Amino acid sequence: DAMVIQNPRYQVTQFGKPVTLSCSQTLNHNVMYWYQQKSSQAPKLLFHYYDKDFNNEADTPDNFQSRRPNTSFCFLDIRSPGLGDAAMYLCATSRDPQTGTVSDTQYFGPGTRLTVL
Amino acid sequence: QKEVEQDPGPLSVPEGAIVSLNCTYSNSAFQYFMWYRQYSRKGPELLMYTYSSGNKEDGRFTAQVDKSSKYISLFIRDSQPSDSATYLCAMINTNAGKSTFGDGTTLTVKP
Repeated sequence: DAMVIQNPRYQVTQFGKPVTLSCSQTLNHNVMYWYQQKSSQAPKLLFHYYDKDFNNEADTPDNFQSRRPNTSFCFLDIRSPGLGDAAMYLCATSRDPQTGTVSDTQYFGPGTRLTVL
Repeated sequence: QKEVEQDPGPLSVPEGAIVSLNCTYSNSAFQYFMWYRQYSRKGPELLMYTYSSGNKEDGRFTAQVDKSSKYISLFIRDSQPSDSATYLCAMINTNAGKSTFGDGTTLTVKP
């Protein structure tokens, strides 16, 4: 029944060691988002894909990259994780946000909690 | 100044109480208003969404939007321990094509 799946649920990495988080969806939504959420804070949008078009937020560090090889999958690559990158990473999907229909709200995965040692 | 401000909490209430969760916003371009529930170590789950000013009910939950005051609320009646979670308000500016979230209010309902 899971519609947005994230793997792994928990990831531990070492300072500076690259890590990849994955997200897959069964909703066939054309928009996929990656958020970073730190404790007691709002999810912070890192970037999103509108189909294959990549949209980076202005304040997303270069350390964060993303790939979307097909509609169903999206990856978040953190090239050199720092201690400040420890957070929950949330993947979300929606249909075309430009249609203006309320069903274009976002559906979230369970998140991947990243620990940086 | 943040575009969306949410009452920070935390909030602790006895079972059966009526809970009021609130957000204010500054961007008149926001058109859709959502409430998400987030359990510990889980992703946000959409609870309710509204478009126009007024009230929308769904079981024990009522979402209220006042666009003139730029204020939204979520009311939970007959609160249950299972309602214990962090509640996030979020708003969509469809012109920008993305959601803006509040920081969340953590609610604990004690049996």
